[in-house]
Amino acid sequence: TQLLEQSPQFLSIQEGENLTVYCNSSSVFSSLQWYRQEPGEGPVLLVTVVTGGEVKKLKRLTFQFGDARKDSSLHITAAQPGDTGLYLCAGARINTGTASKLTFGTGTRLQVTL
Amino acid sequence: DVKVTQSSRYLVKRTGEKVFLECVQDMDHENMFWYRQDPGLGLRLIYFSYDVKMKEKGDIPEGYSVSREKKERFSLILESASTNQTSMYLCASSLLGLRDSPLHFGNGTRLTVT
Repeated sequence: TQLLEQSPQFLSIQEGENLTVYCNSSSVFSSLQWYRQEPGEGPVLLVTVVTGGEVKKLKRLTFQFGDARKDSSLHITAAQPGDTGLYLCAGARINTGTASKLTFGTGTRLQVTL
Repeated sequence: DVKVTQSSRYLVKRTGEKVFLECVQDMDHENMFWYRQDPGLGLRLIYFSYDVKMKEKGDIPEGYSVSREKKERFSLILESASTNQTSMYLCASSLLGLRDSPLHFGNGTRLTVT
């Protein structure tokens, strides 16, 4: 099974700080998605990156896909309490047959306090 | 908005019981998935289905089976529940062709097997 390792596993920061979450694998993915999950809910898609080296911005969140399509990062600028949640990266495997399948990362739990 | 509904938020079952987890989606999606979520392990794919009566094993199918008799409904079955199947179970759906199609998740069923 291909693994996606996320770091850090836990992050507790104060409002206004910046942070970066990393998602690393030894395998190549055709695309990579980032999800955020809040307590009591299922994960919700934030972004999909598909091209090596691609950078996408979503307000204060910046997502980057590695040149070799093996890794990705999520950078949050000036974190707010509303950013609190579990962040999951998920890579779409290449040559998956009839239905594509995602490999999920181990997750980064972020807490932003006032 | 896509809605994925899981029939139970919490379930408590005894070892050896047969357990049914139900999932319904309302957006005519071809693909449906069952994941389990455990701390530090991210989401792991149990089974998925890309059409009615079609199913494929995911990464951890042992001890589970699935049923898809109608396009909108995907059921996960634990033939004989065991304590190591205590977990959060998430159902998801997506359009065929995953690369730019996000997974839409239900809010999860937390199953405890005693």
